[in-house]
Amino acid sequence: DAKTTQPPSMDCAEGRAANLPCNHSTISGNEYVYWYRQIHSQGPQYIIHGLKNNETNEMASLIITEDRKSSTLILPHATLRDTAVYYCIVLIQGAQKLVFGQGTRLTINP
Amino acid sequence: GAVVSQHPSRVICKSGTSVKIECRSLDFQATTMFWYRQFPKKSLMLMATSNEGSKATYEQGVEKDKFLINHASLTLSTLTVTSAHPEDSSFYICSATRVLGAADRGEQYFGPGTRLTVT
Repeated sequence: DAKTTQPPSMDCAEGRAANLPCNHSTISGNEYVYWYRQIHSQGPQYIIHGLKNNETNEMASLIITEDRKSSTLILPHATLRDTAVYYCIVLIQGAQKLVFGQGTRLTINP
Repeated sequence: GAVVSQHPSRVICKSGTSVKIECRSLDFQATTMFWYRQFPKKSLMLMATSNEGSKATYEQGVEKDKFLINHASLTLSTLTVTSAHPEDSSFYICSATRVLGAADRGEQYFGPGTRLTVT
């Protein structure tokens, strides 16, 4: 699986958009970008994934650059409950193993 | 849908004893289940992958005789920590996947985790 690079921590004000970057410069053509988050002392939660087109669901939007070497997860209106560690993972869809990096610790401030 | 439960949510045991943790997929059949461990302020580390009815595949460095995994049905996997020691104290998390179909997004569904403390 391709390696990803994320900033270790970020802060965002409540109600603002939180933009979490991820670099995956060695991504292969058939690898997807998946985002998970882990709220303190809970199991991780799937957020969104994409291949090359931008994606949006009820939780977030995923913007993938045209060269697919980086992506940004956008939480459009962050709330205090969005405080969590966010993991960007690259893998082939349906692949068995998720390899978690260190993620980005996002803190939403009131 | 796609709920995964774990039992117990937390357990304290004495050094040298064995502890069993259950992972259940409540509303779907899990083709594959995974076990992770997580130390404080660290990321999740995959321990093993198990498929129903077959032996688990352990990651490098994980002792299969110490961490026994049984995947007896499509909805239940168990992790038994044998002869537990204080260094085994950790947060153990399971996840499950189901058959990739039109409605599936290929993601894993995680349980809430089990906090094990060995005294």
